[in-house]
Amino acid sequence: AQKVTQAQTEISVVEKEDVTLDCVYETRDTTYYLFWYKQPPSGELVFLIRRNSFDEQNEISGRYSWNFQKSTSSFNFTITASQVVDSAVYFCALSEAGGNNRLAFGKGNQVVVIP
Amino acid sequence: DAMVIQNPRYQVTQFGKPVTLSCSQTLNHNVMYWYQQKSSQAPKLLFHYYDKDFNNEADTPDNFQSRRPNTSFCFLDIRSPGLGDAAMYLCATSRGASGSRNEQFFGPGTRLTVL
Repeated sequence: AQKVTQAQTEISVVEKEDVTLDCVYETRDTTYYLFWYKQPPSGELVFLIRRNSFDEQNEISGRYSWNFQKSTSSFNFTITASQVVDSAVYFCALSEAGGNNRLAFGKGNQVVVIP
Repeated sequence: DAMVIQNPRYQVTQFGKPVTLSCSQTLNHNVMYWYQQKSSQAPKLLFHYYDKDFNNEADTPDNFQSRRPNTSFCFLDIRSPGLGDAAMYLCATSRGASGSRNEQFFGPGTRLTVL
């Protein structure tokens, strides 16, 4: 069974600081997909990134960067120079190739950016 | 803009009074999902449609039903809402693909209050 762990529940940072969100996953499938979603106070989940299990290349998109390491089953997310608009809940999620289109979500990280 | 639309955004119902939540999409995606999200929790998948095929999660109560009359629309029916059904209900869509690799696109959610 697939499982996603986001250990930190709430993280507070002062504006312009960096913040890293940890995501550890478990799966028996050799082919799987990892996602990060952002849920601002408005409630809508916004897709941020997808990474497949065969692509360990790290990615940077503006102030966002992701570090995927299969050896430690981790897919961590860093926000550089945080801004107040980054305040949201961030979910890491896993989809298995044999999982019938199901997403397993972690419990989420509440990020609070203090001006 | 292509999107996932949920109506209404806020729904108040009485204990035991049937309620229907609606979701429509202009993305022409063949997979549609319904999630329940309670406060400070991750979204929980209730069921999903892959085209016309209905896939119920094993732990979804019988009180929850769904209909998908066409590709664009999907409905969530709660036959006899209880106080414990108060939550945010999220609709999502994805392009179906073998291997569950595609990201899901979420609507803004309907917040259900049960009095």
